[in-house]
Amino acid sequence: AQSVTQLDSQVPVFEEAPVELRCNYSSSVSVYLFWYVQYPNQGLQLLLKYLSGSTLVKGINGFEAEFNKSQTSFHLRKPSVHISDTAEYFCAAARGGATNKLIFGTGTLLAVQP
Amino acid sequence: DSGVTQTPKHLITATGQRVTLRCSPRSGDLSVYWYQQSLDQGLQFLIHYYNGEERAKGNILERFSAQQFPDLHSELNLSSLELGDSALYFCASSVVAGPGTDTQYFGPGTRLTVL
Repeated sequence: AQSVTQLDSQVPVFEEAPVELRCNYSSSVSVYLFWYVQYPNQGLQLLLKYLSGSTLVKGINGFEAEFNKSQTSFHLRKPSVHISDTAEYFCAAARGGATNKLIFGTGTLLAVQP
Repeated sequence: DSGVTQTPKHLITATGQRVTLRCSPRSGDLSVYWYQQSLDQGLQFLIHYYNGEERAKGNILERFSAQQFPDLHSELNLSSLELGDSALYFCASSVVAGPGTDTQYFGPGTRLTVL
């Protein structure tokens, strides 16, 4: 069965420091990968997605992610975080086909401290 | 603003009751997905409709049902509510339901509290 794993439930980091949020997926077929962000009391906003092509994907707000097929990973990175980046980040995978239902990881809370 | 609207924003009801959550997809989107976000289960896929037809079911209880109307809005009906049904219910829409090349855009959610 397809699954998405986010090993870190919470990542504390100081403002202007770099950050990496880890995501691993399991699948025997090609997948489509996404990172969503959820700010407090809000819905989910798409940060970036990998469908095919270049393995380095750039998204909004200075975030980027790298698809690594051999390690089945899709880690999210930002070179310098801001207080406003404090939010819950969800990695998700879609299998494609007749339905593109998203399978979400458990989320990682990015807590940026001044 | 994703363009997906959900009503109501908050809903407080009692156990045993029935509620209806409504979702209007982005203009032009044919697919509607429902997800449930709870503290213990996380974000889980419930059901997917494409142009009025059910495409896939996930972890949706038999007490729950959904439909997509000709104008493409969707409703999620939750009946015989239990305390454990308290959660945030999200609707998402996308253009098609094809081979993964379209993106799902999420609404702001409906927070359901069952007392």
